[in-house]
Amino acid sequence: DTGVSQNPRHKITKRGQNVTFRCDPISEHNRLYWYRQTLGQGPEFLTYFQNEAQLEKSRLLSDRFSAERPKGSFSTLEIQRTEQGDSAMYLCASSLEGRQLAYEQYFGPGTRLTVT
Amino acid sequence: AQTVTQSQPEMSVQEAETVTLSCTYDTSESDYYLFWYKQPPSRQMILVIRQEAYKQQNATENRFSVNFQKAAKSFSLKISDSQLGDAAMYFCAYRSGNFGNEKLTFGTGTRLTIIP
Repeated sequence: DTGVSQNPRHKITKRGQNVTFRCDPISEHNRLYWYRQTLGQGPEFLTYFQNEAQLEKSRLLSDRFSAERPKGSFSTLEIQRTEQGDSAMYLCASSLEGRQLAYEQYFGPGTRLTVT
Repeated sequence: AQTVTQSQPEMSVQEAETVTLSCTYDTSESDYYLFWYKQPPSRQMILVIRQEAYKQQNATENRFSVNFQKAAKSFSLKISDSQLGDAAMYFCAYRSGNFGNEKLTFGTGTRLTIIP
């Protein structure tokens, strides 16, 4: 068990550019979550997957955001036409449904996005 | 919608002393889970302790314990024998017990400083 990993750890981009982040969950976990955390705030839910199916999307996830989890393994979060307000830490978490600890979400280290 | 409130943006405690972090939440659900997560500086979020709403007994994990008051919708975290490694942001989080609604709702966090 190597934990949840996220790449890149830091991303600086210019306004209007597209960015893509990757999350690799714990290998046997079937649920994968994306959260966004701005400075001084707690994480806010963006979306989550059950295997490859995207089951819920927050209203925070505008049309410029898209997430995928092909084959139910890693996930990508893409932001198109970035805006300065997109600057935040993007956190990924995974969990395993069906076991005693199904309700524990394990977090990755996050990707810090800075839009200039 | 559920909300989580942490009214203490910052707390400090002398090493080896005890500190209590406050959290209140609002929900109309009867089945839910509550969590305390720790986020050290520049490191990933880790679970400290969890409480199932149907359990009357307060959860404990070594030096960490909670005071769960369901009627008052209060969920405080007590850290005994504080250590330098306890310095971090602490987030209180809520999760519905309803299947398919496992996203976490976080409070704004409490920054805990340990004074040597």
